Amino acid sequence: DVKVTQSSRYLVKRTGEKVFLECVQDMDHENMFWYRQDPGLGLRLIYFSYDVKMKEKGDIPEGYSVSREKKERFSLILESASTNQTSMYLCASSFRTLAGKEYEQYFGPGTRLTVT
Amino acid sequence: SQQGEEDPQALSIQEGENATMNCSYKTSINNLQWYRQNSGRGLVHLILIRSNEREKHSGRLRVTLDTSKKSSSLLITASRAADTASYFCATGRYNTDKLIFGTGTRLQVFP
Repeated sequence: DVKVTQSSRYLVKRTGEKVFLECVQDMDHENMFWYRQDPGLGLRLIYFSYDVKMKEKGDIPEGYSVSREKKERFSLILESASTNQTSMYLCASSFRTLAGKEYEQYFGPGTRLTVT
Repeated sequence: SQQGEEDPQALSIQEGENATMNCSYKTSINNLQWYRQNSGRGLVHLILIRSNEREKHSGRLRVTLDTSKKSSSLLITASRAADTASYFCATGRYNTDKLIFGTGTRLQVFP
């Protein structure tokens, strides 16, 4: 079974702190994604990585950065946490689409981050 | 953002009844996927339908896709209490592996 793990289920941080959220997948997936999920807004893509050291901004990248030094690991960084970044953060991974074959995304359990 | 929208936002039914959820989207798509999310957890993939397909089945799930109307529906037959969850549609476009997720339908199935 594909496994996507996230470093914490719950996290409480103070305003201005630097926050690291880590995600690890064990299926050799090329693609990895970070989303945030807020009530009534569904899932919004923060950043997408399609290969080691490669990244692409999603819909809401402001206030976030990412790092992908190894294929299996994708980190989301909040440089200076703010209260409006309180949210559920979901990591996902997938194979790259090849020759017309599309793939589903596999999700981690989520990290509920509270910034006070 | 070109988010899709699910309809209804919330649905309550009795066990044994069928549940139908609809998804509308705005752009041309390559595929459409449905996911389930149990409360406070990550999403689980249910089914993928390609733009050249009109209907697909998986167990008690039936998905239809109408690209002319830019809409899809998910039917869960003979619902069970364990089907209680939020359901999201997500659209995939050509030349990108990113998905655009809708806002979800909360399904409550009462025993």
